[in-house]
Amino acid sequence: GQQVMQIPQYQHVQEGEDFTTYCNSSTTLSNIQWYKQRPGGHPVFLIQLVKSGEVKKQKRLTFQFGEAKKNSSLHITATQTTDVGTYFCAVSFSGSARQLTFGSGTQLTVLP
Amino acid sequence: KAGVTQTPRYLIKTRGQQVTLSCSPISGHRSVSWYQQTPGQGLQFLFEYFSETQRNKGNFPGRFSGRQFSNSRSEMNVSTLELGDSALYLCASSSSGRGFYEQYFGPGTRLTVT
Repeated sequence: GQQVMQIPQYQHVQEGEDFTTYCNSSTTLSNIQWYKQRPGGHPVFLIQLVKSGEVKKQKRLTFQFGEAKKNSSLHITATQTTDVGTYFCAVSFSGSARQLTFGSGTQLTVLP
Repeated sequence: KAGVTQTPRYLIKTRGQQVTLSCSPISGHRSVSWYQQTPGQGLQFLFEYFSETQRNKGNFPGRFSGRQFSNSRSEMNVSTLELGDSALYLCASSSSGRGFYEQYFGPGTRLTVT
């Protein structure tokens, strides 16, 4: 089946450092969503990107959708301990818009 | 609005048994999706129900089934449980409508099969 690759799997950063996770697909995506899951919690919706080249910001978080709609990134500036968790991309492949395929996630640890 | 609720939160079953999990979506949400989350396979889509009809189905064996009631509440059933079915089962609801949609996840049901 269609898959989406998410890297890195783990990331340890010192508080105040930046963090980026990437999501890549070999096929064109209909759209992409990003979720955050805190340890012991459930995924929480962050953002949805639909348009080619789209960039959205939420405070210290910047989300980008590639021009070819095959990749996306989530960048966090100046991480804080509250950013700890696993970040997932969730994609919809063209033609199956209402079925989400989740990336494997990037587990972020922020060291104080 | 109250969030998505799932019951029970924890469950221990024996191989060969069956189990039914319940999900109550956010009021007004007509779409309910189910996911299985394991350390090895991550988050995998099971199926989606909308207005009591299964609209999408993931790549899981027929032992996994579900249904949705007229009030949008949903249940999923797993028959003939296997050890590999041990997982966190997440339910997510979303509003109806065209196009893509954000999903609101419940806290999950932690199923352990022994």
